[in-house]
Amino acid sequence: TQLLEQSPQFLSIQEGENLTVYCNSSSVFSSLQWYRQEPGEGPVLLVTVVTGGEVKKLKRLTFQFGDARKDSSLHITAAQPGDTGLYLCADRTNAGGTSYGKLTFGQGTILTVHP
Amino acid sequence: GAVVSQHPSRVICKSGTSVKIECRSLDFQATTMFWYRQFPKQSLMLMATSNEGSKATYEQGVEKDKFLINHASLTLSTLTVTSAHPEDSSFYICSASFYSSYNEQFFGPGTRLTVL
Repeated sequence: TQLLEQSPQFLSIQEGENLTVYCNSSSVFSSLQWYRQEPGEGPVLLVTVVTGGEVKKLKRLTFQFGDARKDSSLHITAAQPGDTGLYLCADRTNAGGTSYGKLTFGQGTILTVHP
Repeated sequence: GAVVSQHPSRVICKSGTSVKIECRSLDFQATTMFWYRQFPKQSLMLMATSNEGSKATYEQGVEKDKFLINHASLTLSTLTVTSAHPEDSSFYICSASFYSSYNEQFFGPGTRLTVL
């Protein structure tokens, strides 16, 4: 069974600071996704990375995928209060059968950005 | 596009009663729907996967007789929590996918269940 570990679990910072969240897998990712979830809502997909060493940017968010495809990081520059939320990494299996598209989530990082 | 809705958004019920939660894909036909459970400040835990017209596949440790899933059409799946107890109080989230989306999952807004 694949295990995804995220760190840190909790992060409380001031507006304008930078931060990095990490996601490590016990096995090679099939297809890594990062989600952001606000309280009382469903998660929203931020990015999907597939290729080892891949770097993707989404405004102030930078996503990196490790060369060995077993780890990833999410870096936020100049955090804003609107970035507050639960950040989740997930592996989307490409296996066949009934598991196709199944997501395995990390335990999440709760980010709080104070004004 | 790819909007998923859930109804109700919040429900409070008495212990021992059954509660039905609906998950609808509004603008696409969902070949697969997933049901998750989330406790406060924790991650999403997959409960079951359902494909239209067939029985749901439950994750290990999830009681299929307690959490009844029906996926009778390509736009609707329902989760019924039978004989609910306070420990069933949680945030239930569904997601839907379709084959041509490369099985990308589109999440609903969730349903907060509180069992008194």
